[in-house]
Amino acid sequence: NAGVTQTPKFQVLKTGQSMTLQCAQDMNHNSMYWYRQDPGMGLRLIYYSASEGTTDKGEVPNGYNVSRLNKREFSLRLESAAPSQTSVYFCASSARLAGGPNEQFFGPGTRLTVL
Amino acid sequence: QQQVKQSPQSLIVQKGGISIINCAYENTAFDYFPWYQQFPGKGPALLIAIRPDVSEKKEGRFTISFNKSAKQFSLHIMDSQPGDSATYFCAAVSGAGSYQLTFGKGTKLSVIP
Repeated sequence: NAGVTQTPKFQVLKTGQSMTLQCAQDMNHNSMYWYRQDPGMGLRLIYYSASEGTTDKGEVPNGYNVSRLNKREFSLRLESAAPSQTSVYFCASSARLAGGPNEQFFGPGTRLTVL
Repeated sequence: QQQVKQSPQSLIVQKGGISIINCAYENTAFDYFPWYQQFPGKGPALLIAIRPDVSEKKEGRFTISFNKSAKQFSLHIMDSQPGDSATYFCAAVSGAGSYQLTFGKGTKLSVIP
């Protein structure tokens, strides 16, 4: 049981390049999330998927797109990377049972640098 | 608008001491308050969580104290150990239908021998 996995672990891009961050979970969770973490800013939600087939914007969605490929996989795409998108990106998942707490499990992160 | 304010930003505690991290919130719809622990190079991991119908929850050396009227909650780490050195995040989420955790900005704890 690997939990939440993310690829790649590290990535360097040039301004204007595109890339897709991959995330997969093996806990049969319904909901998945993408966050970015910047020094002194905590974690900010980019997009989330409440269930397979749905996606919604979070706090900081501009410059990103997501795809919920199936129940296990949720990808984050940067179409034209900018230096402001230099950050550590975390994927998370939760069971989100009805009436239950939103306990989220996080992956190890992708460290992205945009030059 | 920052909905969860966390303090202090950094904290240095001697081994065996008590570490205290405070959070305050504004949204009275929040009804679940988790704390996450993050070690360098790792993702955050759930440490302990509380609902506002209780004033305190204890798990081992970690205790959450909750003051609903003041809209404040805090994490106490008793007998702090060097292995507790990490960044701690408080968070809050509102009730049914909400999928969004609102995080504080984090506290970097260093426990010195």
